[in-house]
Amino acid sequence: KQEVTQIPAALSVPEGENLVLNCSFTDSAIYNLQWFRQDPGKGLTSLLLIQSSQREQTSGRLNASLDKSSGRSTLYIAASQPGDSATYLCAVLGSARQLTFGSGTQLTVLP
Amino acid sequence: EAGVAQSPRYKIIEKRQSVAFWCNPISGHATLYWYQQILGQGPKLLIQFQNNGVVDDSQLPKDRFSAERLKGVDSTLKIQPAKLEDSAVYLCASSPIDRAYGYTFGSGTRLTVV
Repeated sequence: KQEVTQIPAALSVPEGENLVLNCSFTDSAIYNLQWFRQDPGKGLTSLLLIQSSQREQTSGRLNASLDKSSGRSTLYIAASQPGDSATYLCAVLGSARQLTFGSGTQLTVLP
Repeated sequence: EAGVAQSPRYKIIEKRQSVAFWCNPISGHATLYWYQQILGQGPKLLIQFQNNGVVDDSQLPKDRFSAERLKGVDSTLKIQPAKLEDSAVYLCASSPIDRAYGYTFGSGTRLTVV
């Protein structure tokens, strides 16, 4: 059974810092990995989708990497802003064709 | 393209009452999912439809939860009777048949059972 772990559970940084969020998964037989953002009381917004054959994806200040063999992904946020404050969730689409989520990292960017 | 629509946004009910949630997926998306997200946790799959057939409902508490997807488009999720532990956000998502293109989620329905 696929398990996804996100570390840290919570993170607080001053505005302008670069930061890294971590995601690990136990079964490396995945089709893709998706990073989502969730604002309080809201749904999930897709940030980046990395196919299993890819190593990274970039969108603006966000860069996500995937190391399938070691079961790890990182989300790098450059020059963080207070508007980046949210919960970030990673999810993997595994061999059972189901999307399995981590518990998320709650990010607070202080002005 | 329009996103995944869900209603209502919020619902407060007493335990043992019933409640229903509605979802309209992205046009053309064959696969529809209902997830339950308890506070502080990641979403967990309740049921998955492909067109109007159930693909996976192994984690759906069938004694109280039911779901249908009529005509392979809209879907409703019902809870009857509700328990306190059903308090959660219920998220609907859709994807093309080839899930390699990723999932799109709706805004969710926040259910509070008192």
